[in-house]
Amino acid sequence: DIQMTQSPSSLSASVGDRVTITCRASQSISNYLNWYRQKPGKAPKVLIYAASSLQSGVPSRFSGSGSGTDFTLTISSLQPEDFATYYCQQTYSTPWTFGQGTKVEIK
Amino acid sequence: QVQLQESGPGLVKPSETLSLTCTVSGDSIRTYYWSWIRQPPGKGLEWIGYIYYSGSTNYTPSLKSRVTISVDTSKNQFSLKLTSVTAADTAVYYCARERRVGATVWFDPWGQGTLVTVSS
Repeated sequence: DIQMTQSPSSLSASVGDRVTITCRASQSISNYLNWYRQKPGKAPKVLIYAASSLQSGVPSRFSGSGSGTDFTLTISSLQPEDFATYYCQQTYSTPWTFGQGTKVEIK
Repeated sequence: QVQLQESGPGLVKPSETLSLTCTVSGDSIRTYYWSWIRQPPGKGLEWIGYIYYSGSTNYTPSLKSRVTISVDTSKNQFSLKLTSVTAADTAVYYCARERRVGATVWFDPWGQGTLVTVSS
């Protein structure tokens, strides 16, 4: 199985801050990397697919980059609804696997 | 707009079989691949497996011996069965549609999730 490791596991930030979350794969996954946001008590929703493609309807403050083993999700200006947990996911090979999550909390 | 809804018992006894159904509305189940994912309370996400309308399946190795995913195209539903459950199978279970463009795959949308507790 491909292991996905996110960092940090949690962070504190303020509204308007620029936030960066990193995801590392245990082997090269090309650009088969997705990012999801999960608000408390809700199902995850996709933000970015194929490492850098913005899902339709997702605000442009979200962006993704990377290829191979190292990937980044950036939120350019944190909004109140962005305080949530973020997961990366690889779909290079089955079993599809997720990172352990990064919880973004209010400072 | 496609919507997914999980249904099934919220409480299952140890050693018994967990059974859930995902009902798809707003789209034909014949068009996509469909997945089950679970999330133990306070923990991360674990992919369980997927099915195509033809019946083709793929399961995560750690659960493969206990999992069956099936599809009923006449009802636009797909189902999950997990046998010999233990407390470790207590989780919120989600169903999701797999979007595929070439070799690119992502999950969208997800159902709201249903909590299944394994307890006597």
